[in-house]
Amino acid sequence: AQSVTQLGSHVSVSEGALVLLRCNYSSSVPPYLFWYVQYPNQGLQLLLKYTTGATLVKGINGFEAEFKKSETSFHLTKPSAHMSDAAEYFCAFYGQNFVFGPGTRLSVLP
Amino acid sequence: DVKVTQSSRYLVKRTGEKVFLECVQDMDHENMFWYRQDPGLGLRLIYFSYDVKMKEKGDIPEGYSVSREKKERFSLILESASTNQTSMYLCASSLGGGTWGYEQYFGPGTRLTVT
Repeated sequence: AQSVTQLGSHVSVSEGALVLLRCNYSSSVPPYLFWYVQYPNQGLQLLLKYTTGATLVKGINGFEAEFKKSETSFHLTKPSAHMSDAAEYFCAFYGQNFVFGPGTRLSVLP
Repeated sequence: DVKVTQSSRYLVKRTGEKVFLECVQDMDHENMFWYRQDPGLGLRLIYFSYDVKMKEKGDIPEGYSVSREKKERFSLILESASTNQTSMYLCASSLGGGTWGYEQYFGPGTRLTVT
């Protein structure tokens, strides 16, 4: 069965601190992996994606993620949090079908 | 840029009304999707379509139907709205000749309240 888990439904960081949002997946086929961001009362916006090739992927707004096959992980990071990063983040993958994780709400404290 | 538009951002309907939510995409995508999003439950797939006049049930199709008469337009229909259908509804589209394609592009969402 395919699934996506995101550790922590809510993560708080201080402005300027490292952001780390965790994503693990379970898939029987090589996955394509995605991170989406959702600001309040808006749709989801694609942050970055991994399909093939380089396992470290850079996205918009200074975010990046690394695909680690051995750990079945695709964690999202940003070196320095900004107040505008406060949003909900969804990990997703496409294997046999498209599966979304449950989401992690990121709060950024001043 | 891909653009997915939804007919309304906010909608208030009464119990028992028939409700139409419209979604249009402008990138000639084969696949279109309807999700609902509720706090603590994430995104749940209602229906998807991989071609004109084709539709497949998702995880929670009960109480909903869909229509895809043209490639760019995918409509979600609540035959008889109920209060438990109060939710945020998100439409998405993607490329792909197969059933699910690649990354999905989302509309801004419709927040539906049924009173």
